[in-house]
Amino acid sequence: DAKTTQPPSMDCAEGRAANLPCNHSTISGNEYVYWYRQIHSQGPQYIIHGLKNNETNEMASLIITEDRKSSTLILPHATLRDTAVYYCIVRVPTAGGTSYGKLTFGQGTILTVHP
Amino acid sequence: DTEVTQTPKHLVMGMTNKKSLKCEQHMGHRAMYWYKQKAKKPPELMFVYSYEKLSINESVPSRFSPECPNSSLLNLHLHALQPEDSALYLCASSQDGTGKVYQPQHFGDGTRLSIL
Repeated sequence: DAKTTQPPSMDCAEGRAANLPCNHSTISGNEYVYWYRQIHSQGPQYIIHGLKNNETNEMASLIITEDRKSSTLILPHATLRDTAVYYCIVRVPTAGGTSYGKLTFGQGTILTVHP
Repeated sequence: DTEVTQTPKHLVMGMTNKKSLKCEQHMGHRAMYWYKQKAKKPPELMFVYSYEKLSINESVPSRFSPECPNSSLLNLHLHALQPEDSALYLCASSQDGTGKVYQPQHFGDGTRLSIL
């Protein structure tokens, strides 16, 4: 699986958009970009994933550059409850013909949302 | 509230004790996972079960023994642990379809284990 690079920490004001970058310059053609987050004292939570098109769901938007070497997770209106560690993971979606498999977490970005 | 339930939430044990961590899900998922997370570090995969069969063991020491008695339950049996095994142990589950649609993992909130 391709390696990812994320800034160790970021700050954001409540109500503003939080833009979390991720570099994955060695990504291969069949690898997807996944985002999870981990709020303090909780298990990780899936946010969103994508291959090459921009994706949006009720939690966030994912913008992937045309060359797929980097991506940005956007939380459009950050709240205090969005304070968490955000993990960007790159991997193939299936393993051995099934869709389960190993998630390799990097160090992630600690996002702190301030009042 | 998480859909994956882990018990106990906290566990303190001596190095000679035998204990078990339990994980339960009722989402009909057929893949279940154990992760270990040290303080201020990301989670690391330990084991993956698919359809109640062990499919991935990430070279975990034998003092950790996983068990999947049915599709809803996952246990992690602990014996003769070392102080460095103190960590947060996370359980996760996902659907295990054969399609290419990604099926995210759902995590419990973990068992915080302390070895004296």
